[in-house]
Amino acid sequence: DGGITQSPKYLFRKEGQNVTLSCEQNLNHDAMYWYRQDPGQGLRLIYYSQIVNDFQKGDIAEGYSVSREKKESFPLTVTSAQKNPTAFYLCASSNTGTTNQPQHFGDGTRLSIL
Amino acid sequence: AQKITQTQPGMFVQEKEAVTLDCTYDTSDQSYGLFWYKQPSSGEMIFLIYQGSYDEQNATEGRYSLNFQKARKSANLVISASQLGDSAMYFCAMRPHGSSNTGKLIFGQGTTLQVKP
Repeated sequence: DGGITQSPKYLFRKEGQNVTLSCEQNLNHDAMYWYRQDPGQGLRLIYYSQIVNDFQKGDIAEGYSVSREKKESFPLTVTSAQKNPTAFYLCASSNTGTTNQPQHFGDGTRLSIL
Repeated sequence: AQKITQTQPGMFVQEKEAVTLDCTYDTSDQSYGLFWYKQPSSGEMIFLIYQGSYDEQNATEGRYSLNFQKARKSANLVISASQLGDSAMYFCAMRPHGSSNTGKLIFGQGTTLQVKP
């Protein structure tokens, strides 16, 4: 089945540690996105990528980094510079070029501070 | 500014009744797409329904329909015959034409729906 796989489902970070969240899609979508969601809140865009080897900052990129070396993969690193990383992280992908393409989401990763 | 507004933080509905979740949007683009997503407590985002700005008929998908009023810039989601499994958070989102190349969506803050037995 085509879809988006995020791993791990739960992740714990120690102070001063960088952690990487995985996102893989087999939908052959060009664009991929990372969102952060705090409890009871909406989605905020961290980074997005329209094409391999290129990505752009979203609304809350500080303290995060990404790479897009393959079309299928868009890992997110939460760096030690992100002082409040506890949140639910969602990865999404979509086709581009028209307005009628929905974003498809993974099941998310819950990140907590130890 | 391009924006989505969902004014109902929380809603209750009795099982088997219909419920309307409100969504208003702001854009100067003539071409845009509107989407609704469902987020159960488990966290995944489920795409429900799409409405294009040039679509003449309101979109329908099973028990979901979209009450699209372009002049009022509203795109309300109607869920008919509510079921207990409809209890979730619902997000309205917009893709303006200017974002078609990036695929970026603008999301509202969401409405939490609780279905009572």
